Amino acid sequence: QQPVQSPQAVILREGEDAVINCSSSKALYSVHWYRQKHGEAPVFLMILLKGGEQKGHDKISASFNEKKQQSSLYLTASQLSYSGTYFCGTVLFSGGYNKLIFGAGTRLAVHP
Amino acid sequence: DAGVIQSPRHEVTEMGQEVTLRCKPISGHNSLFWYRQTMMRGLELLIYFNNNVPIDDSGMPEDRFSAKMPNASFSTLKIQPSEPRDSAVYFCASSLDGTRSDTQYFGPGTRLTVL
Repeated sequence: QQPVQSPQAVILREGEDAVINCSSSKALYSVHWYRQKHGEAPVFLMILLKGGEQKGHDKISASFNEKKQQSSLYLTASQLSYSGTYFCGTVLFSGGYNKLIFGAGTRLAVHP
Repeated sequence: DAGVIQSPRHEVTEMGQEVTLRCKPISGHNSLFWYRQTMMRGLELLIYFNNNVPIDDSGMPEDRFSAKMPNASFSTLKIQPSEPRDSAVYFCASSLDGTRSDTQYFGPGTRLTVL
């Protein structure tokens, strides 16, 4: 049930790009992306609701392919502040309610 | 908006002691979640409340763990007796209505260390 994220870790130089993938064996209705900085709580980045929908926040964008049951997070021209662990969350409808299941996370380190 | 409030931020206790973690969700939010985060197991959902009623507690590790939500503005997670393997960061999160497009807002977490 847990979505699978790849890669597990990424190391970048400032200004480089990265892609983080999230896939599920279950049909997806929505994908949620969160970022957690070291020692802090996860913070919501964006949610994607429709197949093929894309969203963006500054230089971070995401796509969602409902048919392929996967989502990708794109970080363009990375900044030092992008460092942290990125989690995708997929919604599972079970027992009459919606349950958000998080992936294991992708650790991103951006160096000067 | 103060966000989700958790207390204490840090707790160090000895094995066998009772531990109580507290959470105040964002005002107006109807759903509340307790998560546990460890390096080995990642971010695990322990229990989910909707309108103060426990909906799913399948993630609660064992009978030593219990959670209550006596009203819309307060929830507790209790561990009795605590064990070293309970050491983790415990997050409380709240959301507006628990729908599939709902956003969860996390509190700062409680770092629990059981010696």
